Amino acid sequence: SAVISQKPSRDICQRGTSLTIQCQVDSQVTMMFWYRQQPGQSLTLIATANQGSEATYESGFVIDKFPISRPNLTFSTLTVSNMSPEDSSIYLCSVSTGVSQPQHFGDGTRLSIL
Amino acid sequence: QKEVEQNSGPLSVPEGAIASLNCTYSDRGSQSFFWYRQYSGKSPELIMFIYSNGDKEDGRFTAQLNKASQYVSLLIRDSQPSDSATYLCALMKTSYDKVIFGPGTSLSVIP
Repeated sequence: SAVISQKPSRDICQRGTSLTIQCQVDSQVTMMFWYRQQPGQSLTLIATANQGSEATYESGFVIDKFPISRPNLTFSTLTVSNMSPEDSSIYLCSVSTGVSQPQHFGDGTRLSIL
Repeated sequence: QKEVEQNSGPLSVPEGAIASLNCTYSDRGSQSFFWYRQYSGKSPELIMFIYSNGDKEDGRFTAQLNKASQYVSLLIRDSQPSDSATYLCALMKTSYDKVIFGPGTSLSVIP
């Protein structure tokens, strides 16, 4: 399966700042997704990153707070904007090679907000 | 009713035993089913996927799907302490739909 590199692996940020998380895949993939996993919880889909167009956001997530870019078939970024302690979580990038195909996850970004 | 349900556990089994993890879902039309393993502090890792009714075996793992009863299970034979992790059941309703994850079941294999 594809090798997925996610950066940074962890960060500690100040309230009110923004952080951009990068997801790089070693081969072209059809689908890229961003998830959040809060401590002790399962995964919650934030959005589907669409190549060349605006991301598709899930209920409860908005572009102003979580802007996403996907300039090509191997790279995507998620920005967590104007961070508050409630944004402390693990953020995960996942990719799929096609419809109905399983998703594979990057190692995640562990984010703490002070 | 939640879309994907799992017993949260923890499920404890002795080393060498069969661990049985169960998952039920609410949408009868769901098409694709996945099992992920997540070690503490790590990201989810795909271990099995199944699309058709019946059993699918891969090494010590067997996924079982019964669409009529709306459940999918994962059997782990000859359980090892290294199998101790949280197991996430996930499904896709249609080919073009998002993946929905269950809450996960914590498995502990006791040496």
